[in-house]
Amino acid sequence: QVQLVESGGGVVQPGTSLRLSCAASGFTFSNYGMHWVRQAPGKGLEWVAVIWNDGGNKYYADSVKGRITISRDNSKNTLYLQVNSLRAEDTAVYYCSRDGGQSGYDYVFDYWGQGALVTVSS
Amino acid sequence: QSALTQPPSASGSPGQSVTISCTGTSSDFGGYNYVSWYQQHPGKAPKLMIYEVSKRPSGVPDRFSGSKSGNTASLTVSGLQAEDEADYFCNSYAGSNNWVFGGGTKLTVL
Repeated sequence: QVQLVESGGGVVQPGTSLRLSCAASGFTFSNYGMHWVRQAPGKGLEWVAVIWNDGGNKYYADSVKGRITISRDNSKNTLYLQVNSLRAEDTAVYYCSRDGGQSGYDYVFDYWGQGALVTVSS
Repeated sequence: QSALTQPPSASGSPGQSVTISCTGTSSDFGGYNYVSWYQQHPGKAPKLMIYEVSKRPSGVPDRFSGSKSGNTASLTVSGLQAEDEADYFCNSYAGSNNWVFGGGTKLTVL
């Protein structure tokens, strides 16, 4: 079965950097686009970034462009999110999610991980 | 694109139907019918409930249905059950590799 497991969250100081990982299993990782979606405490979901299956095409939400980098290692079935110059407003649960296109669910998030909490605080 | 607009709360008694709206602009929907809905129970990951406006993934009860008219999409939950109590988020593919979510609606089963 499809599993997505995030890691790398924690409490970090403003201005520092953090890299989140998402280990994927149960499907052919290299065939699927992958997203990061975040949710601030008590707030709604916010799409952050997408990387398509070969890693060559990446797109970001305007709100994070320039500070966030999405990447993947298809040999390790792992998705990454690098967040630089962390701010209080980056405090959120960060979910990795599979794009459903290869499964017939175009432009949707068909599987989600349990999320990694990032708290930006001094 | 700013977030799609959803009512913060909705409620209904067991067995009743409830409809949650999701309003945006024409650019939010990008001229596509790629509207999806997600259910999120407290402390849990979201779950895909509806895609392409009105289609249900396998395993989602047919009590859940979706529709869209103009720049407003809707999720209807019929025959409300206690386990339907959750937050519901709409999402739209806005084109050019950009997605936008709604602010979420907390559904309470009375």
